[in-house]
Amino acid sequence: ETGVTQSPTHLIKTRGQQVTLRCSSQSGHNTVSWYQQALGQGPQFIFQYYREEENGRGNFPPRFSGLQFPNYSSELNVNALELDDSALYLCASSYPGTAKNTEAFFGQGTRLTVV
Amino acid sequence: AQKITQTQPGMFVQEKEAVTLDCTYDTSDQSYGLFWYKQPSSGEMIFLIYQGSYDEQNATEGRYSLNFQKARKSANLVISASQLGDSAMYFCAMRERDYKLSFGAGTTVTVRA
Repeated sequence: ETGVTQSPTHLIKTRGQQVTLRCSSQSGHNTVSWYQQALGQGPQFIFQYYREEENGRGNFPPRFSGLQFPNYSSELNVNALELDDSALYLCASSYPGTAKNTEAFFGQGTRLTVV
Repeated sequence: AQKITQTQPGMFVQEKEAVTLDCTYDTSDQSYGLFWYKQPSSGEMIFLIYQGSYDEQNATEGRYSLNFQKARKSANLVISASQLGDSAMYFCAMRERDYKLSFGAGTTVTVRA
């Protein structure tokens, strides 16, 4: 186990709704990244938070937003859900330091289905 | 442009044999890291092995070794003595200066008894 936990593990939402996914990072890790993995594809970077500030964003629209809290846990919010948002959402925590220590530890993911 | 290319969508390997998974990458950074992750059907990304761009020796972690050829920009994963539990999706990923991970499309490995 990596110590990164995500909730919920599965959920089903209707198109147009909003969803919040949660991630508790590994102890001591101050950086959290979120990835979207569509079925049969590799994960795509959504954004990254470092010490409560967004410090990197992938090619995702503004309806994808996030937060990082003082304890370094994080939320991913998606507004106005679309069918294409159906995917596995992965959270990864890391501690920027030596190159080896930038290894990201992933949670088990949240499988979102939009109907 | 694709940063990580994995050209093998799926591979079959006999139990106890070795298998090599191909990965090529594209970056203009001098400092970068290359990772391999295993993703079983449960979905979690499991870290396998890491190679830094300045590391002169190929990385090894138990049955996993990384064949790093910097000039060719390749970072192939070798799994020795395959086990049935090795059946999973394998992803090559790269971290550049911005710290985000760029993943390839993955290779599905099926180990046959």
